[in-house]
Order: sequence, then C-alpha cells, then structure tokens
Amino acid sequence: QKEVEQNSGPLSVPEGAIASLNCTYSDRVSQSFFWYRQYSGKSPELIMSIYSNGDKEDGRFTAQLNKASQYVSLLIRDSQPSDSATYLCAVIPLEYGNKLVFGAGTILRVKS
Amino acid sequence: EPEVTQTPSHQVTQMGQEVILRCVPISNHLYFYWYRQILGQKVEFLVSFYNNEISEKSEIFDDQFSVERPDGSNFTLKIRSTKLEDSAMYFCASSEILGQGVNSPLHFGNGTRLTVT
Repeated sequence: QKEVEQNSGPLSVPEGAIASLNCTYSDRVSQSFFWYRQYSGKSPELIMSIYSNGDKEDGRFTAQLNKASQYVSLLIRDSQPSDSATYLCAVIPLEYGNKLVFGAGTILRVKS
Repeated sequence: EPEVTQTPSHQVTQMGQEVILRCVPISNHLYFYWYRQILGQKVEFLVSFYNNEISEKSEIFDDQFSVERPDGSNFTLKIRSTKLEDSAMYFCASSEILGQGVNSPLHFGNGTRLTVT
C-alpha cells in the first residue's frame, strides 16, 4: 500500500485561477504534513507545513488537513505562470519519527 | 537565510568506482538525511542520521552505501562500486527538533546529479 498518494496530473489552470492539489496518506498516526514545490531539475522547496486539522494560510497558499479522512490539500490562489511546477505532498508517517515520505507529485501548469 | 549546501553539483563516474557526495547541513540542525530521485521518479528516502549514528535507513541503503559526519560541519554519502542504476539526483537535507510530536520540515540542498557510465 502506497503511503502517500497524489494525482500525477498534469493539472492545468488559467492564470489568476485557484489551483487545488490533493493528497491522501495511509498511516493514521501521521502527525506532520508538508507541501513542497519542485521545479524541473531542482530540489524540493518547502511551501507549507501543517500539523492540526483545519486550514492554514500563508500568502496565496492554503493548506487543509483532515486527519479523519487522511487527506491533505493545497490551494493556490491567483495562480501565476511561475507556479508551474511539480507539487510534492510529504508526510512523516510515525508519531515520533522523522523520516519524510513523499508522494509522486502533481504537475501543475498555469497557462497565461 | 541559512541553507544546505552540496558539492559537487554534478559528478560523472565509471561503473565500479567509488564516489563521495558532500553536504554541509544548516548549522543548528541535528537531523541529517540523504534522499535520491531517479529521473522522472519520486523522491526516495535513503537514510537519516542523528547523534552521530544512523537512525533509520531504507531497503535501498544496502552495504554499498555509507554515511559519515567526519567533522562538525560536513555530512557525506559514500557509494562503493557504483552501478548504472545509481545514476540519480542525490539530495541532502537537514532538520531541527521542534518538540515532542511536532516534526520540523526538512530543508534540502540543491542536489548532486550523479551519472554512472
């Protein structure tokens, strides 16, 4: 069973629209959740971390966590062409672990 | 802003040779990691390191691989007798301890692209 699952995409949205990226995870005791952005040939870059149920906003980004449904999402408002990248959902699957497990990523394309 | 630095950015080696990939983690971080990403595939965990010893390793991290913190700043990944399938981007990362049950995000270096010919 895959630990972190994401739709591979590509997800195409017009410039200025809201992009919605989704992720599910298998380990119910997971406590720490992260979204990373990865441009082609580059390293993962942290966008958001979220630890509690609900929404967390940072600028144009909102992370949403629902532990009961084992679901975490990322909303990008006012999408820009520079947001075009692969978005990686990552989870630390043990309550007191530190190993970060990545999903395969969703390719986002923002069309101008 | 502090960052993780990796050298070299690109390493080309022949099959069967040994390579050492180098990393300087963020100075106040206590957990260190190596990940790899084969072209077009997901980022995969190799090993984590804390308090001068391996804390966890994946099934990929077999006897061919070793890690070391030779001094107070460097963290290295050694790959003995490289194979063609070791060709990948290797990322070093580090994190700090936030508290019980709260995990600090990992901060990644720019990676070393390893090409085995």
